[in-house]
Amino acid sequence: DGGITQSPKYLFRKEGQNVTLSCEQNLNHDAMYWYRQDPGQGLRLIYYSQIVNDFQKGDIAEGYSVSREKKESFPLTVTSAQKNPTAFYLCASSANAGEQFFGPGTRLTVL
Amino acid sequence: LAKTTQPISMDSYEGQEVNITCSHNNIATNDYITWYQQFPSQGPRFIIQGYKTKVTNEVASLFIPADRKSSTLSLPRVSLSDTAVYYCLVRTGGGNKLTFGTGTQLKVEL
Repeated sequence: DGGITQSPKYLFRKEGQNVTLSCEQNLNHDAMYWYRQDPGQGLRLIYYSQIVNDFQKGDIAEGYSVSREKKESFPLTVTSAQKNPTAFYLCASSANAGEQFFGPGTRLTVL
Repeated sequence: LAKTTQPISMDSYEGQEVNITCSHNNIATNDYITWYQQFPSQGPRFIIQGYKTKVTNEVASLFIPADRKSSTLSLPRVSLSDTAVYYCLVRTGGGNKLTFGTGTQLKVEL
């Protein structure tokens, strides 16, 4: 099955903890993206990567970090510096500037 | 700050045609316009993509005027299952910035 997967589906974090959200794709796409979606709101770009070992900040990168050591993987770390991390996080991948394929999302809740 | 804007919501009835417009007056000159559909607690799903004039596939049509500062997604004969939020996606500001539209909640009733 080709596609993009995210894990876990639900994640709970205590204040002050860092957490890492997983995103894996087997579509052989060069580009990968992380978005944040708050209830009733649109998608906002956190980070994106157009090639392995390279990534750029999106609109709301503060408090987040990423790595792109492998083409298939683009994990997102939500650090303690992110003051309001409770949200729905979506990962996507695309072949260059083409259609983005989205994962099922991870819902993060800070307790 | 240029924004990519859409109507907040639209209501329709089964069997009607629905047209949703996205305004993107800062669109990059050499990139596509893409539309997505999103159901609650799911990732967005690709509907259609185009660069200019008109594109049609099995589920929708996309109309893009010559100046490309807006685009209109047309859904023919909607059904209850088309109730969802619809987003446009464009590159703005010289082509380096990916921007989703504000989203349109479509509600289809019997």
